[in-house]
Amino acid sequence: DGGITQSPKYLFRKEGQNVTLSCEQNLNHDAMYWYRQDPGQGLRLIYYSQIVNDFQKGDIAEGYSVSREKKESFPLTVTSAQKNPTAFYLCASSPASASYNEQFFGPGTRLTVL
Amino acid sequence: AQRVTQPEKLLSVFKGAPVELKCNYSYSGSPELFWYVQYSRQRLQLLLRHISRESIKGFTADLNKGETSFHLKKPFAQEEDSAMYYCALKGGSSNTGKLIFGQGTTLQVKP
Repeated sequence: DGGITQSPKYLFRKEGQNVTLSCEQNLNHDAMYWYRQDPGQGLRLIYYSQIVNDFQKGDIAEGYSVSREKKESFPLTVTSAQKNPTAFYLCASSPASASYNEQFFGPGTRLTVL
Repeated sequence: AQRVTQPEKLLSVFKGAPVELKCNYSYSGSPELFWYVQYSRQRLQLLLRHISRESIKGFTADLNKGETSFHLKKPFAQEEDSAMYYCALKGGSSNTGKLIFGQGTTLQVKP
């Protein structure tokens, strides 16, 4: 099962620690996205990247950071500055950012702060 | 402001009954709208997009610019339709793929 993968599936973190969530795709997609899914709030965009070495903040970027050093990888770091990090995190990719391109989603990572 | 509203958190129907999942949007330009679905233990995936005017798994959705709505409909619900459904709007400028999602509606189809 190729496509877009996320690891780990479950992640536990102590307060005050930074943690990095992995997102990899072998679809040769240019654009990648990170969303946060909370019950009753839908998906909210954290960061997105349209091309290697470039990324933009989404609606809720505070307390998060990303990098896009390779086309296939878009890791998300949840820093200690994120006030409420416990959530389900989804990564997505699409062939290009414009037009009606479908976004393909990974299986998600559930982060719990202890 | 760009926004997507799905007023129902949960919609429960019996098998064979018609289904309508509501979606309203706020967008100043020409909207691009999608419905995504997440079945239990599966990934979020695209169900349909308004530009294609297609019917997928018996579902259709018509864009109504006057009412700023993009409701998802199916005449006869099946148990396998039970899932979480998200309406999404392609937001931002025309050269980004940012999606703005609604809060989601859980569809429960009872036997």
